[in-house]
Amino acid sequence: EVQLLESGGALVQPGGSLRLSCAASGFAFRSWAMTWVRQSPGKGLEWVSNIINTGETTYYADSVKGRFTISRDNSKNTLYLQMHSLRAEDTALYYCAKSHGSGWIYDYWGQGTLVTVSS
Amino acid sequence: QSALTQPASESGSPGQSITISCTGTSSDVGRYNLVSWYQQRPGKAPKLMIYEDTHRPSGVSNRFSGSKSGNTASLTISGLQAEDEADYYCSSFAGLSTFVLFGGGTKLTVL
Repeated sequence: EVQLLESGGALVQPGGSLRLSCAASGFAFRSWAMTWVRQSPGKGLEWVSNIINTGETTYYADSVKGRFTISRDNSKNTLYLQMHSLRAEDTALYYCAKSHGSGWIYDYWGQGTLVTVSS
Repeated sequence: QSALTQPASESGSPGQSITISCTGTSSDVGRYNLVSWYQQRPGKAPKLMIYEDTHRPSGVSNRFSGSKSGNTASLTISGLQAEDEADYYCSSFAGLSTFVLFGGGTKLTVL
């Protein structure tokens, strides 16, 4: 059974940093691209970042480029999102998801971890 | 680039069919066969219902189907059931500068 378990969400002040983790199990983690998608409270989904299976190539939404870094450790079956210079508009539930096929389709999702940016 | 356009809400009675539209542009929906649809029940994670415009993952009911014409994709749910009540989001690959766009979501109410 595919399982994705996010952690690391917290209350952080504007300008602060946070690292999210996503522990994967039940599939060949090293074979699949992974993604982070966020959802602000009561709002829709927003794609944040993708990383290919080897970790060599990454992609970012303009809203987080230069502030967030996606990475992965295939030996630990874990996906990460390092977030710096956090803003109030980064407040959201952050989901990690496994890609399907092309890498731009997401067939399994975690339950999310909540990041709140507030003073 | 703007999000894809979906109606904010749709409704239908049990047994009926409903269609949710998702309108993009010739740079995203109309250019790539990479439209996906996700169902999100309250307090739950999204679930993939349709991918690559028309394909249904294993385990998803065949009451769900996807189609596309030009820059507009559609999700049709036939034989509506109470359990279909949820938010539905479309998404599309939008090229190697914008990457992925989501629609604003459609709240489906089963009357």
